[in-house]
Amino acid sequence: NAGVTQTPKFRVLKTGQSMTLLCAQDMNHEYMYWYRQDPGMGLRLIHYSVGEGTTAKGEVPDGYNVSRLKKQNFLLGLESAAPSQTSVYFCASMNQRTYEQYFGPGTRLTVT
Amino acid sequence: AQSVTQPDIHITVSEGASLELRCNYSYGATPYLFWYVQSPGQGLQLLLKYFSGDTLVQGIKGFEAEFKRSQSSFNLRKPSVHWSDAAEYFCAVGATGNQFYFGTGTSLTVIP
Repeated sequence: NAGVTQTPKFRVLKTGQSMTLLCAQDMNHEYMYWYRQDPGMGLRLIHYSVGEGTTAKGEVPDGYNVSRLKKQNFLLGLESAAPSQTSVYFCASMNQRTYEQYFGPGTRLTVT
Repeated sequence: AQSVTQPDIHITVSEGASLELRCNYSYGATPYLFWYVQSPGQGLQLLLKYFSGDTLVQGIKGFEAEFKRSQSSFNLRKPSVHWSDAAEYFCAVGATGNQFYFGTGTSLTVIP
């Protein structure tokens, strides 16, 4: 069991570039989440999904898009990166029975 | 609106001393409450959770937390801290629609 994996681990973008972060889970969870973590801000929810083909906005969705074409994968896209999107991004999946979230190792993104 | 406050940004304790990390929440209904731990460069791991019932809950690694509805608090405690407990600790509340709101975190340093 790999749990939750995230690709890539690190990335540097120039302002205006686009990229996609991939999250994969092998626990057959319906719920998946994307968070960003910034110093002094804790984790803030960007988007989440309650099942294959569904997505919903979280607390800070602007500038991001997501897709959940397969149950095990949850993609986070940045269409036109901005320096304000420099952050560490965490993906999580949730066990609906226990409400426990399982987090990936994170992706450190720098936008210059 | 839901929110979580962790008033202590950073705490330093001696190895073997007791520990209490504070968490206050704001939520209209009965909250689902969580404590997560994050080691440097890692994702978050669940320490314990409270849904209902006994207000004192036990978690992994010797941690416990007490839910006090009258004070809107869910403080984390450990009787004797080990050097390996040095990490960042996050309190979270589960809200409607299975969204989660995290506090800004408390960084714990353990000195020999």
